Amino acid sequence: QAVLTQPSSLSASPGASASLTCTLRSGINVNAYRIYWYQQKPGSPPQFLLKYRSDSHKQQGSGVPSRFSGSTDASANAGLLLISGLLSEDEADYYCMIWHSSAWVFGGGTKLTVL
Amino acid sequence: QVQLQESGPGPVKPSQTLSLTCTVSGGSISSGSYYWSWIRQPAGKGLEWIGRIYTSGSTNYKSSLESRVTISLDTSKNQFSLKLTSVTAADTAVYYCARSSGDGYNFPQHWGQGTLVTVSS
Repeated sequence: QAVLTQPSSLSASPGASASLTCTLRSGINVNAYRIYWYQQKPGSPPQFLLKYRSDSHKQQGSGVPSRFSGSTDASANAGLLLISGLLSEDEADYYCMIWHSSAWVFGGGTKLTVL
Repeated sequence: QVQLQESGPGPVKPSQTLSLTCTVSGGSISSGSYYWSWIRQPAGKGLEWIGRIYTSGSTNYKSSLESRVTISLDTSKNQFSLKLTSVTAADTAVYYCARSSGDGYNFPQHWGQGTLVTVSS
């Protein structure tokens, strides 16, 4: 079982909100980790969006709009990337990442389509 | 603002060694508390962290690649490099170099544009 699992795709309408999930493997408690989120558009490297562990331990990337925010769902053992007021430019691949067992581990990524 | 640029010799044949260099500008690779990472991405697939080297020269590698990977610093050229031995087609990917945040959380924050490495006979 992968350390981090993300749905492969998600679709949402312009102006709506989207919630991207990053589920941690059973036995790895989401409350014990900072979850990092990246956005990647075709032909470009990933861009750091934000990191989130709790409302008192979070960091927004430089220049990242406040429409992007992080959260956790402890009952689902998952990190969440929340995007409000979706724009067409938000269409991209989104990756979560944690530091686990002395290595950076990425989720498989979610392709967000805004249509 | 730090900038990173990957470079390499081009296609690699199976069983040979893949060698890449990351040239850093806008800051010295030997100063500060930074980690310098290599990350790869096969076409149409997700990101895979390969490993990193600290300013001091200490390294961490992904466990499944550790036997084949070496990351090193060349402070005289302000570069760091990746060597991956015994490559197969599965090593074909875009390879990115990245610098950590330097804020104590040490996550890959600044990335190069990436370079495509194809393993083919």
